[in-house]
Amino acid sequence: QKEVEQDPGPLSVPEGAIVSLNCTYSNSAFQYFMWYRQYSRKGPELLMYTYSSGNKEDGRFTAQVDKSSKYISLFIRDSQPSDSATYLCATVTGDKIIFGKGTRLHILP
Amino acid sequence: EAGVTQFPSHSVIEKGQTVTLRCDPISGHDNLYWYRRVMGKEIKFLLHFVKESKQDESGMPNNRFLAERTGGTYSTLKVQPAELEDSGVYFCASTRDRGTEAFFGQGTRLTVV
Repeated sequence: QKEVEQDPGPLSVPEGAIVSLNCTYSNSAFQYFMWYRQYSRKGPELLMYTYSSGNKEDGRFTAQVDKSSKYISLFIRDSQPSDSATYLCATVTGDKIIFGKGTRLHILP
Repeated sequence: EAGVTQFPSHSVIEKGQTVTLRCDPISGHDNLYWYRRVMGKEIKFLLHFVKESKQDESGMPNNRFLAERTGGTYSTLKVQPAELEDSGVYFCASTRDRGTEAFFGQGTRLTVV
C-alpha cells in the first residue's frame, strides 16, 4: 500500500467553479500534511500545510485533514485559469517529504 | 534572494555514460535534499545533506549514484554508468533548518537513451 494515494487526473473544471482535490494516506502516525503546487517545467512550491486534523484557510484555498479517515483535501474557490497546475499532497516523516502522484488540474476559461 | 538553482535543466545521454547534476541551494540553507520523479510515479526522496555531511541516503537507488556536497555549499549528483531506468526529473530542495519549509529547484530532466 502506498503511503500517500492521489488520483492523477486530469481534472478539468470551468473558471469560477469550486475545485476539490483529495488524497488518502496509510500511516496514522503522520501529523503534518502539505499541498504543493507545481507548474509545468517548475519545481513544487508549498501552497499550504496543516498539522493534525482540522481546516486551514488561506484566501481562496482551504486545506482539510480528517485523521479518522486518513483523508486530506484541498478546496479552491472561484477557480482561475492561473490555478491550472499539478497539485501534490504530501506528508513528512523525519526529514523526508512523502508525495502523492499529483493531480493535474485544468481551469477552463 | 535567489532560489534553488539546478544545472542543467535537461540532459540527454546514452546508456552507459556518466552524468553529473548540480544543485545550488539558497544561501545559508544548511539542509539540502535530492528527490527524483520517474515517469508515472511519485516524487521520491533520495538523500539529505546537513552541510557537507550525508544525514540520510536511504533513498539512493544503488551504488551507481554518488552525491557530494563538498564545503557544504552546492551539491552534485553523479550517475555512473547511467541506465535507462534512471530517466526522470531530479529535484533539489533546501531548507534553512530541519522541519522548515523546503524550497525546490526547477529540476533536471534526465533522459537516458
